[in-house]
Amino acid sequence: DAGVTQSPTHLIKTRGQQVTLRCSPKSGHDTVSWYQQALGQGPQFIFQYYEEEERQRGNFPDRFSGHQFPNYSSELNVNALLLGDSALYLCASSLGTVNQPQHFGDGTRLSIL
Amino acid sequence: DAKTTQPNSMESNEEEPVHLPCNHSTISGTDYIHWYRQLPSQGPEYVIHGLTSNVNNRMASLAIAEDRKSSTLILHRATLRDAAVYYCILFILTGGGNKLTFGTGTQLKVEL
Repeated sequence: DAGVTQSPTHLIKTRGQQVTLRCSPKSGHDTVSWYQQALGQGPQFIFQYYEEEERQRGNFPDRFSGHQFPNYSSELNVNALLLGDSALYLCASSLGTVNQPQHFGDGTRLSIL
Repeated sequence: DAKTTQPNSMESNEEEPVHLPCNHSTISGTDYIHWYRQLPSQGPEYVIHGLTSNVNNRMASLAIAEDRKSSTLILHRATLRDAAVYYCILFILTGGGNKLTFGTGTQLKVEL
């Protein structure tokens, strides 16, 4: 039973570029959340998708956008990349939006030059 | 956002119990207390959660204060593989969704 898978594992971009990160949820899960984790910090919530709609959003600018597909997989898009966007981006999946544990992938390490 | 406060780091010896404290004085009545841990180079891993009563599972136990303003994660016999950052999180249900608000966590070091 595959867990949460994220691609790519590492990515290098330059300032001003755009990036798309991908996430496949754990089998049976229908909710996907995205987090940004800077070095030495705890993960920060970006947004959550359920039924192909953004249900919750953290304190991130509109440069961060997402999408959920009918098969529950999800993408995180970041436009106009800044040096400060360098971080580990984590995807987590869960069943529904009620009190259920979230299962995390191992993340995509994004470096901005 | 409701916040949690944890010590930055703790140390333990292998095979001994570990008690990781967490304060959450602004917790609301419907907020669940979740614990996750993160090993180096991995995503966070769910450990345990509870609302009011103490909880046990194969990984750990969760002791919740009667006023719910604090909780303690208990690892009954620490092993080297338990060395990780442990996050105490309030699971908040709002507006048709939910989110986990992580703090900086407690770095647990386990020594032989």
